[in-house]
Amino acid sequence: EIVLTQSPGTLSLSPGERATLSCRAGQSVTSVYLTWYQQKPGQAPRLLIYGASNRATGIPDRFSGSGSGTDFTLTISRLEPEDFAVYYCQQYGTSPHFGQGTRLEIK
Amino acid sequence: EVHLVESGGGLVQPGGSLRLSCAASGFTFSSYWMHWVRQVPGKGLVWVSRINTDGSSTSYADSVKGRFTISRDNAKNTVYLQMNSVRVDDTAVYYCARPSITRAYFELWGRGTQVTVSS
Repeated sequence: EIVLTQSPGTLSLSPGERATLSCRAGQSVTSVYLTWYQQKPGQAPRLLIYGASNRATGIPDRFSGSGSGTDFTLTISRLEPEDFAVYYCQQYGTSPHFGQGTRLEIK
Repeated sequence: EVHLVESGGGLVQPGGSLRLSCAASGFTFSSYWMHWVRQVPGKGLVWVSRINTDGSSTSYADSVKGRFTISRDNAKNTVYLQMNSVRVDDTAVYYCARPSITRAYFELWGRGTQVTVSS
């Protein structure tokens, strides 16, 4: 079982600022299987980034993913009001696992 | 347009049973593995189970193994989750999710169905 640890637990920023979210794996993860999702209250998760760095269809280019091995990062270059949500990283293995999430809140 | 629609949730007593359904549309259902993921309100996402394209292979999280059964009917474009011997800690929103054809990430999610286990 690969444990994913996200940090920080909560990130308080203002619109226009840059957000950097971290996802650290307990053992090496193949980048193709590292994914980021966004979830807003009352909604299902939404695919953001797959393969560690590929934006899903319709995702604005202010979202970017990077990393390899055990350390992955989701960056939102300039926060828009609609970006405040919870973000999860996930590895798709034999039994997929999610990180515990980072809550991005308006400061 | 592609869709997944879950149903079958509700209130059930501890030790009881419930069957969730997830109806798929807009894509070739029989070509995709399918998964169930759950989420306690206010908490994180937890993978529950998955099934391969023809139903011959299934896998479960340890927390539900021996109690839940995943199955599918490709003629009806539907995947099921039979929940037996339910416990209070099974209370959650249950989502069905379709992975990419490469089985590398979840690219399609349903809106979820609420299951509440309480006496």
